[in-house]
Amino acid sequence: AQSVTQPDIHITVSEGASLELRCNYSYGATPYLFWYVQSPGQGLQLLLKYFSGDTLVQGIKGFEAEFKRSQSSFNLRKPSVHWSDAAEYFCAVAFSGSARQLTFGSGTQLTVLP
Amino acid sequence: EAGVAQSPRYKIIEKRQSVAFWCNPISGHATLYWYQQILGQGPKLLIQFQNNGVVDDSQLPKDRFSAERLKGVDSTLKIQPAKLEDSAVYLCASSDNNEQFFGPGTRLTVL
Repeated sequence: AQSVTQPDIHITVSEGASLELRCNYSYGATPYLFWYVQSPGQGLQLLLKYFSGDTLVQGIKGFEAEFKRSQSSFNLRKPSVHWSDAAEYFCAVAFSGSARQLTFGSGTQLTVLP
Repeated sequence: EAGVAQSPRYKIIEKRQSVAFWCNPISGHATLYWYQQILGQGPKLLIQFQNNGVVDDSQLPKDRFSAERLKGVDSTLKIQPAKLEDSAVYLCASSDNNEQFFGPGTRLTVL
Protein backbone atom coordinates (compact mmCIF):
# COMPACT_ATOMS: atom_id res chain seq x y z
CA ALA A 1 0.00 0.00 0.00
CA GLN A 2 1.21 3.45 -0.73
CA SER A 3 2.10 5.79 2.12
CA VAL A 4 3.25 9.35 2.57
CA THR A 5 5.55 10.55 5.33
CA GLN A 6 6.01 14.12 6.44
CA PRO A 7 8.69 13.82 9.11
CA ASP A 8 8.34 17.33 10.49
CA ILE A 9 5.22 17.87 12.56
CA HIS A 10 5.96 21.53 13.23
CA ILE A 11 8.43 23.98 11.69
CA THR A 12 9.13 27.54 12.79
CA VAL A 13 10.89 30.04 10.54
CA SER A 14 11.43 33.77 10.61
CA GLU A 15 9.77 35.95 8.04
CA GLY A 16 12.04 36.35 5.04
CA ALA A 17 13.89 33.10 5.71
CA SER A 18 13.89 30.19 3.31
CA LEU A 19 11.67 27.17 3.85
CA GLU A 20 11.84 23.50 3.01
CA LEU A 21 9.13 21.02 3.96
CA ARG A 22 9.95 17.36 3.54
CA CYS A 23 7.82 14.66 1.99
CA ASN A 24 8.70 11.03 1.31
CA TYR A 25 6.48 8.43 -0.26
CA SER A 26 6.36 4.70 -0.54
CA TYR A 27 4.92 3.37 -3.76
CA GLY A 28 5.85 0.77 -6.33
CA ALA A 29 5.81 3.13 -9.30
CA THR A 30 6.22 6.84 -9.77
CA PRO A 31 3.21 8.41 -8.13
CA TYR A 32 1.47 11.61 -8.92
CA LEU A 33 2.43 14.11 -6.26
CA PHE A 34 0.69 17.10 -4.75
CA TRP A 35 1.19 19.74 -2.10
CA TYR A 36 -1.84 21.34 -0.43
CA VAL A 37 -2.07 24.15 2.09
CA GLN A 38 -4.78 24.45 4.75
CA SER A 39 -5.36 27.64 6.70
CA PRO A 40 -7.47 27.55 9.88
CA GLY A 41 -11.13 27.02 9.08
CA GLN A 42 -10.40 26.69 5.38
CA GLY A 43 -10.45 23.82 2.97
CA LEU A 44 -7.37 22.51 1.24
CA GLN A 45 -5.85 24.58 -1.55
CA LEU A 46 -3.59 23.04 -4.16
CA LEU A 47 -0.14 24.64 -4.26
CA LEU A 48 1.40 22.50 -6.99
CA LYS A 49 1.40 19.07 -8.57
CA TYR A 50 3.75 16.74 -10.38
CA PHE A 51 2.60 14.24 -12.96
CA SER A 52 5.62 13.84 -15.22
CA GLY A 53 8.33 15.79 -17.03
CA ASP A 54 10.48 18.45 -15.42
CA THR A 55 11.17 17.36 -11.87
CA LEU A 56 11.18 20.94 -10.57
CA VAL A 57 7.63 22.26 -10.51
CA GLN A 58 6.48 25.77 -9.81
CA GLY A 59 3.31 26.49 -7.92
CA ILE A 60 1.27 29.35 -6.62
CA LYS A 61 2.36 31.83 -3.94
CA GLY A 62 6.03 31.46 -4.86
CA PHE A 63 6.31 27.79 -3.88
CA GLU A 64 8.24 25.14 -5.78
CA ALA A 65 8.86 21.45 -5.27
CA GLU A 66 11.40 19.00 -6.62
CA PHE A 67 10.72 15.35 -7.34
CA LYS A 68 13.70 13.11 -6.61
CA ARG A 69 13.01 9.58 -7.70
CA SER A 70 16.19 8.17 -6.11
CA GLN A 71 15.13 9.51 -2.71
CA SER A 72 11.38 8.98 -3.14
CA SER A 73 10.95 12.58 -2.11
CA PHE A 74 8.95 15.61 -3.14
CA ASN A 75 10.10 18.46 -0.91
CA LEU A 76 8.38 21.83 -0.94
CA ARG A 77 10.48 25.00 -0.93
CA LYS A 78 10.08 28.75 -0.79
CA PRO A 79 13.04 31.15 -0.89
CA SER A 80 11.49 33.83 1.33
CA VAL A 81 8.60 33.13 3.69
CA HIS A 82 5.87 35.67 4.35
CA TRP A 83 3.80 35.85 7.55
CA SER A 84 0.74 34.86 5.52
CA ASP A 85 2.35 31.49 4.74
CA ALA A 86 1.65 30.30 8.28
CA ALA A 87 -0.64 27.31 7.80
CA GLU A 88 -0.61 23.53 7.66
CA TYR A 89 0.91 21.88 4.63
CA PHE A 90 0.00 18.44 3.33
CA CYS A 91 1.80 16.27 0.83
CA ALA A 92 -0.36 13.78 -1.08
CA VAL A 93 0.08 11.04 -3.67
CA ALA A 94 -2.31 9.52 -6.18
CA PHE A 95 -2.37 6.31 -8.18
CA SER A 96 -2.97 7.75 -11.60
CA GLY A 97 -2.73 10.83 -13.73
CA SER A 98 -6.07 11.99 -12.43
CA ALA A 99 -6.64 13.42 -8.97
CA ARG A 100 -8.25 10.25 -7.74
CA GLN A 101 -7.61 8.36 -4.52
CA LEU A 102 -5.36 10.84 -2.80
CA THR A 103 -3.34 9.55 0.14
CA PHE A 104 -2.24 12.35 2.44
CA GLY A 105 0.66 12.73 4.81
CA SER A 106 0.00 13.80 8.37
CA GLY A 107 0.90 17.41 7.67
CA THR A 108 3.48 19.98 8.75
CA GLN A 109 2.38 23.00 10.74
CA LEU A 110 4.33 26.11 9.75
CA THR A 111 4.75 29.00 12.16
CA VAL A 112 6.27 32.25 10.87
CA LEU A 113 7.97 34.58 13.35
CA PRO A 114 7.99 38.34 12.69
CA GLU B 1 -16.56 29.85 -10.66
CA ALA B 2 -18.25 28.87 -7.41
CA GLY B 3 -16.33 26.47 -5.22
CA VAL B 4 -17.41 23.39 -3.34
CA ALA B 5 -20.09 24.27 -0.80
CA GLN B 6 -20.62 22.43 2.47
CA SER B 7 -23.07 22.83 5.32
CA PRO B 8 -23.27 23.12 8.18
CA ARG B 9 -19.82 24.50 9.00
CA TYR B 10 -19.99 23.38 12.60
CA LYS B 11 -22.04 20.77 14.42
CA ILE B 12 -22.05 19.65 18.03
CA ILE B 13 -23.97 16.54 19.01
CA GLU B 14 -24.01 13.98 21.77
CA LYS B 15 -22.87 10.43 21.23
CA ARG B 16 -25.48 8.09 19.84
CA GLN B 17 -27.23 10.96 18.05
CA SER B 18 -27.38 11.16 14.27
CA VAL B 19 -25.99 13.89 12.02
CA ALA B 20 -25.96 14.70 8.32
CA PHE B 21 -23.62 16.78 6.22
CA TRP B 22 -24.37 18.25 2.82
CA CYS B 23 -22.05 18.95 -0.10
CA ASN B 24 -22.63 20.75 -3.39
CA PRO B 25 -19.72 20.19 -5.79
CA ILE B 26 -18.43 22.45 -8.52
CA SER B 27 -20.80 22.44 -11.46
CA GLY B 28 -19.90 19.80 -14.01
CA HIS B 29 -17.60 17.78 -11.77
CA ALA B 30 -18.54 14.14 -12.05
CA THR B 31 -16.37 12.87 -9.22
CA LEU B 32 -17.12 13.65 -5.60
CA TYR B 33 -15.22 12.60 -2.48
CA TRP B 34 -15.83 12.63 1.24
CA TYR B 35 -12.83 12.75 3.57
CA GLN B 36 -12.51 12.55 7.34
CA GLN B 37 -9.76 14.67 8.92
CA ILE B 38 -9.08 13.92 12.56
CA LEU B 39 -7.17 16.58 14.48
CA GLY B 40 -3.44 16.30 13.84
CA GLN B 41 -3.84 13.98 10.85
CA GLY B 42 -4.17 14.28 7.11
CA PRO B 43 -7.52 13.75 5.42
CA LYS B 44 -8.57 10.14 4.94
CA LEU B 45 -10.83 9.13 2.07
CA LEU B 46 -14.19 7.75 3.16
CA ILE B 47 -16.05 7.39 -0.13
CA GLN B 48 -15.74 8.31 -3.79
CA PHE B 49 -18.62 8.82 -6.22
CA GLN B 50 -18.56 8.97 -10.00
CA ASN B 51 -21.80 10.67 -11.01
CA ASN B 52 -24.36 8.91 -8.79
CA GLY B 53 -22.47 5.63 -8.46
CA VAL B 54 -20.05 4.58 -5.72
CA VAL B 55 -16.49 3.98 -6.97
CA ASP B 56 -14.88 3.16 -3.63
CA ASP B 57 -16.34 2.97 -0.14
CA SER B 58 -13.84 0.51 1.30
CA GLN B 59 -12.87 2.85 4.14
CA LEU B 60 -16.39 3.91 5.07
CA PRO B 61 -17.54 2.42 8.41
CA LYS B 62 -20.76 1.13 6.98
CA ASP B 63 -22.26 0.10 10.29
CA ARG B 64 -22.76 3.79 11.12
CA PHE B 65 -21.82 5.89 8.10
CA SER B 66 -23.82 6.22 4.90
CA ALA B 67 -23.56 8.49 1.89
CA GLU B 68 -25.58 9.14 -1.19
CA ARG B 69 -25.48 11.20 -4.35
CA LEU B 70 -28.88 10.51 -5.81
CA LYS B 71 -28.92 12.79 -8.83
CA GLY B 72 -25.20 12.87 -9.44
CA VAL B 73 -24.83 16.38 -8.07
CA ASP B 74 -25.31 17.08 -4.35
CA SER B 75 -24.24 14.56 -1.78
CA THR B 76 -25.14 13.80 1.82
CA LEU B 77 -23.00 12.01 4.40
CA LYS B 78 -24.77 10.66 7.46
CA ILE B 79 -23.55 9.23 10.75
CA GLN B 80 -25.97 7.21 12.86
CA PRO B 81 -25.28 6.71 15.72
CA ALA B 82 -22.28 8.95 16.32
CA LYS B 83 -19.37 7.93 18.53
CA LEU B 84 -16.84 10.11 20.33
CA GLU B 85 -14.14 9.08 17.86
CA ASP B 86 -16.17 10.55 14.98
CA SER B 87 -15.17 14.04 16.11
CA ALA B 88 -13.35 15.39 13.07
CA VAL B 89 -13.59 17.72 10.11
CA TYR B 90 -15.51 16.20 7.21
CA LEU B 91 -14.26 17.49 3.88
CA CYS B 92 -16.00 17.22 0.56
CA ALA B 93 -14.08 17.52 -2.68
CA SER B 94 -14.97 17.39 -6.35
CA SER B 95 -12.75 16.69 -9.30
CA ASP B 96 -12.43 17.50 -12.96
CA ASN B 97 -9.98 14.57 -13.18
CA ASN B 98 -6.98 16.87 -13.04
CA GLU B 99 -7.36 18.33 -9.60
CA GLN B 100 -9.47 17.90 -6.50
CA PHE B 101 -11.15 21.04 -5.21
CA PHE B 102 -12.03 21.04 -1.53
CA GLY B 103 -14.85 22.63 0.38
CA PRO B 104 -14.32 24.38 3.73
CA GLY B 105 -15.41 21.31 5.68
CA THR B 106 -17.82 20.60 8.51
CA ARG B 107 -16.31 20.44 11.98
CA LEU B 108 -18.14 17.80 14.02
CA THR B 109 -17.79 17.58 17.78
CA VAL B 110 -19.30 14.55 19.50
CA LEU B 111 -19.75 14.94 23.26
